[in-house]
Formats: sequence, C-alpha cells, structure tokens
Amino acid sequence: DAGVIQSPRHEVTEMGQEVTLRCKPISGHDYLFWYRQTMMRGLELLIYFNNNVPIDDSGMPEDRFSAKMPNASFSTLKIQPSEPRDSAVYFCASSLWQGGNQPQHFGDGTRLSIL
Amino acid sequence: GDSVTQMEGPVTLSEEAFLTINCTYTATGYPSLFWYVQYPGEGLQLLLKATKADDKGSNKGFEATYRKETTSFHLEKGSVQVSDSAVYFCALSSGTYKYIFGTGTRLKVLA
Repeated sequence: DAGVIQSPRHEVTEMGQEVTLRCKPISGHDYLFWYRQTMMRGLELLIYFNNNVPIDDSGMPEDRFSAKMPNASFSTLKIQPSEPRDSAVYFCASSLWQGGNQPQHFGDGTRLSIL
Repeated sequence: GDSVTQMEGPVTLSEEAFLTINCTYTATGYPSLFWYVQYPGEGLQLLLKATKADDKGSNKGFEATYRKETTSFHLEKGSVQVSDSAVYFCALSSGTYKYIFGTGTRLKVLA
C-alpha cells in the first residue's frame, strides 16, 4: 500500500512568497494531521482534520498559515506571506482512529527554506 | 492535560551495548502508547505500540512494556547496532483524538 505522500520534498523560496505544501493521506484513513518540526521547538501539531473537517487549528502559528482538505485524498497547507522563521520540516500524517489504538502514519516531509 | 516526558539526549553508546530510553506519561483514562523512530531525512515511523496495561510491544529487537502503576513505557534493546542511530519519540493517544509526542531522544551508536 502507498504511504502518506507529500510534495514537494524540498522548497526554497524568498520571503514574502506564497508557499503551498501538499499531502495525500493513506486511503481510508479518517484523520489527517499537519506538523512542523524544528530543532528549537521539536515536533509541533499545527492542525488536524476528521473526515475532511478541521477539528483543532490551535497550533497554527498565525493568520499567515491556512490549511484545507477539499476531499478525503488531498490536503494543503499554505503560508502567505512566508517569512524566514517559517523554515522547518513540515510533516503530514494520517490515521484511522478506532478508539485511539492505531498509530499515525507519517509522510517523508517537506523541507522548507525561506530566504 | 495529557503529556509525555522522555529522557534528554543525546545518548551515545558503543555497538552491542544495552539501550534504555525512559518515557513516562500523564493521561486521563487509558491511553495507547507508541514508540516512533525517525532516521535522518525521513518521517517518523512506528516502531512498536501497546494498547493496554502490561502489554509488551516489540519490533526489530526493541521492546517496551506498558506499566500503568508507574505510568511508564521505557524503550529497551539488548544489543544496539550502528544502524539504530536515529531519533526516538514516545507518544500516546487518548480519547481527545490527538496524539501527544515527547520531545525525542537522539541515539548515536559508535562502531
């Protein structure tokens, strides 16, 4: 089975530009999570969806960040305008809840560098 | 709220040494517990899990036992290899529909 697929794997852009990160979850999974990982702050949960509906976006750092899940097989995380402090690795993960005893499955991440 | 605490790294060991990475948790109810491993440049991968008290998860020579009385889920391996060098994350999931991750412990194994 295909795992969680993220694109692009690497993104380098100048500050002020719009950045869009993409994620295809595992088919049949009902939860999707976006994380950010940095050396300073570790792994941070940004937002998660259940059945395509955003449930908790309290981790989204500010209004420059937005996430959508238009259907069960696709999600985007957008940063507009981007800033150098947004540089990080962004992970998407999906899971099938089933009472919480199922693990999350992570993509390989998007390494974002804002110059 | 729920939380996971794991030992600070980095942990540096010689090949074939015994490994323990401590993990304790705080949670209401009965969480499921997980260990994930992250190799350089990759995402987190599930290493093992345990869903109820006294369960032992195991995989690739790693083991961890769900200890409700001490709220712990320590990761152990009898003989580490250079290829085990990675960052290890302890995590829990509970009825809040979120997964709580520890800060990660970096393991470096020397040949």
